[in-house]
Amino acid sequence: KQEVTQIPAALSVPEGENLVLNCSFTDSAIYNLQWFRQDPGKGLTSLLLIQSSQREQTSGRLNASLDKSSGRSTLYIAASQPGDSATYLCAVAGAAGNKLTFGGGTRVLVKP
Amino acid sequence: NAGVTQTPKFQVLKTGQSMTLQCAQDMNHEYMSWYRQDPGMGLRLIHYSVGAGITDQGEVPNGYNVSRSTTEDFPLRLLSAAPSQTSVYFCASSQGPKGSNEQFFGPGTRLTVL
Repeated sequence: KQEVTQIPAALSVPEGENLVLNCSFTDSAIYNLQWFRQDPGKGLTSLLLIQSSQREQTSGRLNASLDKSSGRSTLYIAASQPGDSATYLCAVAGAAGNKLTFGGGTRVLVKP
Repeated sequence: NAGVTQTPKFQVLKTGQSMTLQCAQDMNHEYMSWYRQDPGMGLRLIHYSVGAGITDQGEVPNGYNVSRSTTEDFPLRLLSAAPSQTSVYFCASSQGPKGSNEQFFGPGTRLTVL
C-alpha cells in the first residue's frame, strides 16, 4: 500500500526566505506526482504536476523535483511572501493513474 | 468553464438520514473521484470512476454509494448518515491517461451529522 509522508508538518519562515517542502512515498511505481495548495476552509488548487518520466517542473517562483527511485519530491518556493501562507499537499497517482494517495500536508506561515 | 462544481456547500444531517452530494464537471474528463478530508487523517479516496457506467471502491467506501450515468456527473450518496461521516467531501476530475491526468478539485461540501 502506498504511503506518502510530508515532513515537517508545519513551517514558519520570514518573508523573502526560500521555502523547501519535502514529500516522500514508499512505492516508486507511480503515474505522476502533484503538488496542491489549500487555504483554510477552501478546496485544493493544483500547483505543479510531475509525470513519472520527468525530473522537475517549474512555474514562476515554484519548482518541484522528483526522484522516483528514492521515493522523494521537493517543492521549492523562491522568495516567499505572506500570501504563500497555506497548507501544501503532495499526492501520488498509482500506476493506473486513477487514484491519488495524499500526504498529511505541510502548513506554512510566512511572516512579514 | 466552471470546472468542478459541488452542491451543497454546507449540510447538517441527523443520524440515519440519507442524502446525495452532487458533483459535476464541464471539462469532458473521464476520471472522477470522491475524497473525504478529516483532521489528522488527511484526504482519503472514497469511490472513483474511470468513465460513464464504471465505478470502483477506494480506501473508505463503507456507507457510501456512487453511480456514473453521464460523463459530467458523479453523485455521492450517503445511505444512512452516521456521526463518523462528519467530514469535508471533495470531488475531483481528470482527463486520465489520454491527457496529463492532472486532477482538478471542487470547492468541497462540509457535512455535519448529528
